[in-house]
Amino acid sequence: QVQLVQSGSELKKPGASVKVSCKGSGYDFTGNTIIWVRQAPGQGLEWMGWINTNTGNPTYAQGFTGRFVFSLDTSVSTAYLQISSLKADDTALYYCAREAAMGVDYWGQGTLVTVSS
Amino acid sequence: SSELTQDPAVSVALGQTVRITCQGDSLRSYYATWHQQKPGQAPVLVIFGKNNRPSGIPARFSGSSSGNTASLTITGAQAEDEADYYCNSRDSSGNHLLFGGGTKLTVL
Repeated sequence: QVQLVQSGSELKKPGASVKVSCKGSGYDFTGNTIIWVRQAPGQGLEWMGWINTNTGNPTYAQGFTGRFVFSLDTSVSTAYLQISSLKADDTALYYCAREAAMGVDYWGQGTLVTVSS
Repeated sequence: SSELTQDPAVSVALGQTVRITCQGDSLRSYYATWHQQKPGQAPVLVIFGKNNRPSGIPARFSGSSSGNTASLTITGAQAEDEADYYCNSRDSSGNHLLFGGGTKLTVL
């Protein structure tokens, strides 16, 4: 069965960097785009962008350029989200999800990133 | 348009029917998907395409679309349906994704 398994919670200080992983299994990892979604505390889902797992080409939503980088290691079917120069308002749950032909279909379990001094 | 608009909150009596709507210009060109999120859990896909349910989603969940509005209907709402519901689609250019702001469903 299709699964996306994300790395565990992170506690970081302001100014640090964090790298969240998302490992796909149960399907051809390079056959579907991976999207990244942020959910700030008590807020809704916000699309951050996506990465084409076939070409490695990323697309970033407005507001997620510069400090946010999507990458891949297709040899281990894993996508990564790296956030640099962390700020307190980066504190959020970060989800990866798979986009299929008819839309987003499978979600990772989420990774909580907490930024606090 | 670059927005999908949902009512922030909706309530329904146990066993009754509720419709949750999502409005946006891009819905004239693209189907919405609907995702259920319960507290402390990741979202789960409940409706995709014209009106399709993934395996394991109860038949009381259905979807429809007309013009710029997509709807999720729960026929005979159950207590376990209490959750946040998000619509999702491409934007009008097709090059970006959008999420609605979410609708909190309360089952009374």
